[in-house]
Amino acid sequence: QVQLVESGGGVVQPGGSLRLSCVASGFTFSTYGMHWVRQAPGKGLEWMAFIQYDGGNKYYVDSVMGRFTISRDNSKGTLYLEMNSLRAEDSAVYYCAKGLITSYRIDSWGQGTLVTVSS
Amino acid sequence: DIVMTQSPDSLAVSLGERATMNCKSSQSVLLSSNNKNYLAWYQQKPGQPPKLLIHWASIRESGVPDRFSGSGSGTDFTLTISSLQAEDVAVYYCHQYYSTPLTFGGGTKVEIK
Repeated sequence: QVQLVESGGGVVQPGGSLRLSCVASGFTFSTYGMHWVRQAPGKGLEWMAFIQYDGGNKYYVDSVMGRFTISRDNSKGTLYLEMNSLRAEDSAVYYCAKGLITSYRIDSWGQGTLVTVSS
Repeated sequence: DIVMTQSPDSLAVSLGERATMNCKSSQSVLLSSNNKNYLAWYQQKPGQPPKLLIHWASIRESGVPDRFSGSGSGTDFTLTISSLQAEDVAVYYCHQYYSTPLTFGGGTKVEIK
């Protein structure tokens, strides 16, 4: 079955950087678009970014445009999120999520990795 | 951006009773070329990632109990739990996947009365 395992979270100072990874298994990774979605403590879900199956198209929410970069390595079955210029409001659980071939719909989620931005 | 507004914020329902929650989008999420509503419902229990329940507004995901049903079209949608079970205590989110930025509603928290 589909498995998505995130890593790379931790505590970082404001203005710092972090790279999240998500290792995928149980499906043909190179065929599907992938997402990052975050959830601040006690808050709702916020979609961050999407990358097309081949890395050709990428989309971001405005609040992270220019600071975050989504990428993938299909040979390794791994999704990445490079986060720069981190702010306190970026503190959240970051979920890796699988889309579909024919739409953006998210059908599977990882367990998430916690990012805390604090001095 | 398409804004998703859910109501109520929370509801308390007795076991075995019906729970109904609503979701309204600021723009239609119905694609006329295929007559599909790009609207999904997720269930999230504490400490867990969300779980897909309903897609295309009314199609139940495989393995989801048939007490869960989705309805609506265009901009107005409803998730109904026909007979609330203890394991249904969770937050429910609607989500549009019609266009980027993808957006979620604020969630409806379902509790036992």
